[in-house]
Amino acid sequence: NAGVTQTPKFQVLKTGQSMTLQCAQDMNHNSMYWYRQDPGMGLRLIYYSASEGTTDKGEVPNGYNVSRLNKREFSLRLESAAPSQTSVYFCASSEGTASGYEQYFGPGTRLTVT
Amino acid sequence: AQSVTQPDIHITVSEGASLELRCNYSYGATPYLFWYVQSPGQGLQLLLKYFSGDTLVQGIKGFEAEFKRSQSSFNLRKPSVHWSDAAEYFCAVTHNFNKFYFGSGTKLNVKP
Repeated sequence: NAGVTQTPKFQVLKTGQSMTLQCAQDMNHNSMYWYRQDPGMGLRLIYYSASEGTTDKGEVPNGYNVSRLNKREFSLRLESAAPSQTSVYFCASSEGTASGYEQYFGPGTRLTVT
Repeated sequence: AQSVTQPDIHITVSEGASLELRCNYSYGATPYLFWYVQSPGQGLQLLLKYFSGDTLVQGIKGFEAEFKRSQSSFNLRKPSVHWSDAAEYFCAVTHNFNKFYFGSGTKLNVKP
């Protein structure tokens, strides 16, 4: 039982390049989330998916797109990377119901855009 | 919009001393509250959560937190800190299971 996995762990991009961050969970959770973590700012929600086939914007969606490929997988795409997107990205999942909506986090992807 | 404030950016305590980390939230209705811990280079781990009922909740690793509606606070406490508790702590809030709002974090340093 791996929980939430993310790939890659580290990535360096040049300004304007694109890339996709991958996230998968094996807990059969309904909801999945993408956050970015910047020093002194805590975690900020980029996008979330309440169920398979649905996605919605969080606090800081600009410059990002997401795909909920199936119940297990939720990817984050940067179409044209900018230095302001240098951050640590965390994926999380939860049951999204009254009986269990605490989030489980992946280990993170450290992205640097030069 | 909801917001979460953790007023202490850094806290240093001696090993064996007590600890209290502050968290205040702004939201009209009763929110669902969480404390997470993050060790360097790691993801976040849930320490405890409050949904309803008893306002004093117990978590893992000997932590507890108290929900005070009148003060809009959810402070985290531990009676005796261990060196392994050195980490960054985040308070979080949600009301609809979808959008979670996190505080900016408090870094805890433990002196031997």
